Amino acid sequence: GENVEQHPSTLSVQEGDSAVIKCTYSDSASNYFPWYKQELGKRPQLIIDIRSNVGEKKDQRIAVTLNKTAKHFSLHITETQPEDSAVYFCAASHEAGKSTFGDGTTLTVKP
Amino acid sequence: NAGVMQNPRHLVRRRGQEARLRCSPMKGHSHVYWYRQLPEEGLKFMVYLQKENIIDESGMPKERFSAEFPKEGPSILRIQQVVRGDSAAYFCASSPTGQPYEQYFGPGTRLTVT
Repeated sequence: GENVEQHPSTLSVQEGDSAVIKCTYSDSASNYFPWYKQELGKRPQLIIDIRSNVGEKKDQRIAVTLNKTAKHFSLHITETQPEDSAVYFCAASHEAGKSTFGDGTTLTVKP
Repeated sequence: NAGVMQNPRHLVRRRGQEARLRCSPMKGHSHVYWYRQLPEEGLKFMVYLQKENIIDESGMPKERFSAEFPKEGPSILRIQQVVRGDSAAYFCASSPTGQPYEQYFGPGTRLTVT
């Protein structure tokens, strides 16, 4: 089955700096890669996603890149703000629908 | 259009009791996924159901756990004879087509086993 590894497990940055979170996956059949933000006690919220026919996608301060050959994808947050502090999860999925999640990155943005 | 609903939001059970978690998908959605999140861990897939059918239960523990999604009513995840290790947040997600990019998560049920 699919295996997703996520790094780092914790990340602390100063407000205004950039944050990068990286994930690798094992199943070459995976073709959909969402990123979720989860605040304490809340549900995962989809913040950006990318499909395997695209190498990069950007939405304001958030961008995701995908390298299918190397089987890795990354989340980039620029101009970080304290409200970006949360746990971020990557996931990998294919047509079967179920998602395999990474173990999460706790991002702390210090004002 | 109401989102995915889960109830109860919090459930406390003593060891050995049964826990029933309910998930009402969004209107028009016939695909439901259940995930478990242990404290400070990621979400782990448990089971994928379509109306009246279990499509993939590869993540479901072989004993004590069962899931159903009847023709009418919510999907139910049942845990029999709960143990402390079952304490976790259980999230369901629904989809209209089964495609992963159309999954919407519910607010979760936090199960505490005392």
